[in-house]
Amino acid sequence: GENVEQHPSTLSVQEGDSAVIKCTYSDSASNYFPWYKQELGKRPQLIIDIRSNVGEKKDQRIAVTLNKTAKHFSLHITETQPEDSAVYFCAANYNFNKFYFGSGTKLNVKP
Amino acid sequence: NAGVMQNPRHLVRRRGQEARLRCSPMKGHSHVYWYRQLPEEGLKFMVYLQKENIIDESGMPKERFSAEFPKEGPSILRIQQVVRGDSAAYFCATGQRNTEAFFGQGTRLTVV
Repeated sequence: GENVEQHPSTLSVQEGDSAVIKCTYSDSASNYFPWYKQELGKRPQLIIDIRSNVGEKKDQRIAVTLNKTAKHFSLHITETQPEDSAVYFCAANYNFNKFYFGSGTKLNVKP
Repeated sequence: NAGVMQNPRHLVRRRGQEARLRCSPMKGHSHVYWYRQLPEEGLKFMVYLQKENIIDESGMPKERFSAEFPKEGPSILRIQQVVRGDSAAYFCATGQRNTEAFFGQGTRLTVV
């Protein structure tokens, strides 16, 4: 089955700096890669996703890049703000069957 | 997404009792995924169901845990004879073919 690894497990940045979270996956058949943000005590919420026919997708301060050959994808947050502090999860999926999640990255944005 | 409803939000059970967790999908969603999250940890896949069918239960413990998604009504995750190690947040996510998965607010199970 699929195996998704996520790094780093914790990330601390100064407000205004950029943050990058990286994930690798093992199953080359995976074709959908969502990113979720989970605030303390709340549900994971989708913040951005990318499908395998696209190399990059951007939504305001958030972008995701995908390298299918290397089987890795990354989340980029620019101009970080304190409200970006949360746990971020990547996931990989084939044709919207079982989602495999990374172990999470706890992002702390220091004001 | 407010459309995925889980209840109860909090559930306290004594060791040996049964826990029933419910997940009502968003309208039109026929795929349900259950995940368990221990404190400070990630989301561990448990089971994937479509209406009346278990598609993948590779993440379900072999004993005491079961899940169903009947033709009518919510999906149910049932834990029999709960133990302290079952204490966790249980999230369901629902989707439809070729759509993203939306999570419910979770049920926080505490076994005392």
